[in-house]
Amino acid sequence: DTEVTQTPKHLVMGMTNKKSLKCEQHMGHRAMYWYKQKAKKPPELMFVYSYEKLSINESVPSRFSPECPNSSLLNLHLHALQPEDSALYLCASSQVGLNNYGYTFGSGTRLTVV
Amino acid sequence: SQQGEEDPQALSIQEGENATMNCSYKTSINNLQWYRQNSGRGLVHLILIRSNEREKHSGRLRVTLDTSKKSSSLLITASRAADTASYFCAPGRGSARQLTFGSGTQLTVLP
Repeated sequence: DTEVTQTPKHLVMGMTNKKSLKCEQHMGHRAMYWYKQKAKKPPELMFVYSYEKLSINESVPSRFSPECPNSSLLNLHLHALQPEDSALYLCASSQVGLNNYGYTFGSGTRLTVV
Repeated sequence: SQQGEEDPQALSIQEGENATMNCSYKTSINNLQWYRQNSGRGLVHLILIRSNEREKHSGRLRVTLDTSKKSSSLLITASRAADTASYFCAPGRGSARQLTFGSGTQLTVLP
């Protein structure tokens, strides 16, 4: 299995809702990432997990809450989002090391906040 | 973290022509990676070149790296309509797991 699977593919949520994005990989990668991408912009790094521990939080608002329950799963819990949080959310994974490995990305979750 | 800056921002060519995209970055790197993104989809890793390499090939892709000029180029030969996508470079630095992406080059290959 050489894929990163993200669910759901599309999500519409209200500003008072709580939802979660899910990401799964079975490549044995021990580093996993969340990126946010707005239209016609490059992906922006949000969180990095290394060996299931949060190692980098790029000053992301607390309405985004990541969780890594095991080495194959990465979740992003969403609560009280704003319309400007509408974007494509991408999950990626890689081997841990001297950063000499490419990342494998999922196809993303298209999030719309209404 | 650091990011690359791609040039040009947009490139339109005819099928069969070669496409060249450039990337510049600011600080020392361990490697430089190139990714492709089709509209609204995830990124696909194309090629990684290490800081001690000058050139690397993969199929129709050729990547060069000039660490003295802090620049890299991606050449796609004999382009196809299916190569239409955004291309991003991503400088990788040491063990820091903060891969960031430049603004990208939007390549359009016309049939």
